[in-house]
Amino acid sequence: DQQVKQNSPSLSVQEGRISILNCDYTNSMFDYFLWYKKYPAEGPTFLISISSIKDKNEDGRFTVFLNKSAKHLSLHIVPSQPGDSAVYFCAASSRSKLTFGKGITLSVRP
Amino acid sequence: DAGVIQSPRHEVTEMGQEVTLRCKPISGHDYLFWYRQTMMRGLELLIYFNNNVPIDDSGMPEDRFSAKMPNASFSTLKIQPSEPRDSAVYFCASSFSYQTQYFGPGTRLLVL
Repeated sequence: DQQVKQNSPSLSVQEGRISILNCDYTNSMFDYFLWYKKYPAEGPTFLISISSIKDKNEDGRFTVFLNKSAKHLSLHIVPSQPGDSAVYFCAASSRSKLTFGKGITLSVRP
Repeated sequence: DAGVIQSPRHEVTEMGQEVTLRCKPISGHDYLFWYRQTMMRGLELLIYFNNNVPIDDSGMPEDRFSAKMPNASFSTLKIQPSEPRDSAVYFCASSFSYQTQYFGPGTRLLVL
């Protein structure tokens, strides 16, 4: 039973355009959401987070949007750069535990 | 800041052998997590500690897996005996709060 779902396994965008990565969750007890980025042969690195009391959080080129009623969050990267090519994991937190989605592979074409 | 340190980075062993994975968390962090990543199941939480005490081990697959944290700067994950289906990448992560976790580079385990 997947509580955090990233339904698209991959996304390809042109350099300079917007990348939109989506994530859905089913557990209404989740109160904190995070995005992690992972390069091959490395551990996931924290990218950006959002509390359930907010609907938007921005950090430079990265913005995360949360729609609690739809149990949906998204990560926007603007403008996308070739160095953004990686696997992106959505994660949700409840009582100290993080539940991860299976990840989406983003490819940014020069 | 050295980050989370894991050893070994790669481990190849034969079925039935004991495997010990090691982790040094970031200094000052009071939470430590062990995860396993596979193609089929993605990134799964196995167990986590708070102040060296195991809090939730519900993700540990079976009795062949055990984890310890004898002090604030060291943790081990042991598999005995190992089986081919244990082949995966094992990550250790630590955090100051329970929300933002910082991951090590992982140990890639192959059990033949």
